[in-house]
Amino acid sequence: DTAVSQTPKYLVTQMGNDKSIKCEQNLGHDTMYWYKQDSKKFLKIMFSYNNKELIINETVPNRFSPKSPDKAHLNLHINSLELGDSAVYFCASSLQGAGGEQYFGPGTRLTVT
Amino acid sequence: EDQVTQSPEALRLQEGESSSLNCSYTVSGLRGLFWYRQDPGKGPEFLFTLYSAGEEKEKERLKATLTKKESFLHITAPKPEDSATYLCAVPSSGSARQLTFGSGTQLTVLP
Repeated sequence: DTAVSQTPKYLVTQMGNDKSIKCEQNLGHDTMYWYKQDSKKFLKIMFSYNNKELIINETVPNRFSPKSPDKAHLNLHINSLELGDSAVYFCASSLQGAGGEQYFGPGTRLTVT
Repeated sequence: EDQVTQSPEALRLQEGESSSLNCSYTVSGLRGLFWYRQDPGKGPEFLFTLYSAGEEKEKERLKATLTKKESFLHITAPKPEDSATYLCAVPSSGSARQLTFGSGTQLTVLP
């Protein structure tokens, strides 16, 4: 049973394209997150949703738009991809009152050429 | 500004050679410190939560401790399967649900 799943695992695309990454969790958590991990392995929060409501929106380009159709899903759509968007993107989830104990997906490695 | 600094960046140990990893933090009003393990090509895996100075948590060969300014992850008699990157994180001053991560310590345990 996969707790937090992401698709696709690898995404190779050209500059200027639009792409989406999907995330689903079956843990019954009510808070979900998107992180970006760069080549130096720094993990940085991008967005967080609680019960489908956006609660954290770090300074990311507005080309990135999260969408949460329900508590178990949080998708990330990226418009007009740039070379600098290349990174590994992780989805995570947690219970509302346990923000530090987060469960991560396997990651999506995005390569923009 | 919240800061989390981990040292060393990389550590190579022989199997059975105990050592410690360090995580120092600067945050206003600590609301917990969290340790994660990340294997290559995978997402971080939660290990421990520490809330107050003097607290200790153990799991197999790992023991995490917390002081007012830093946390240590002690690895006793490590095995090759303990090889991974170990990350620590603290909730940000602004939001308890927003974690600030350190850059990690890459641990390699040689057989």
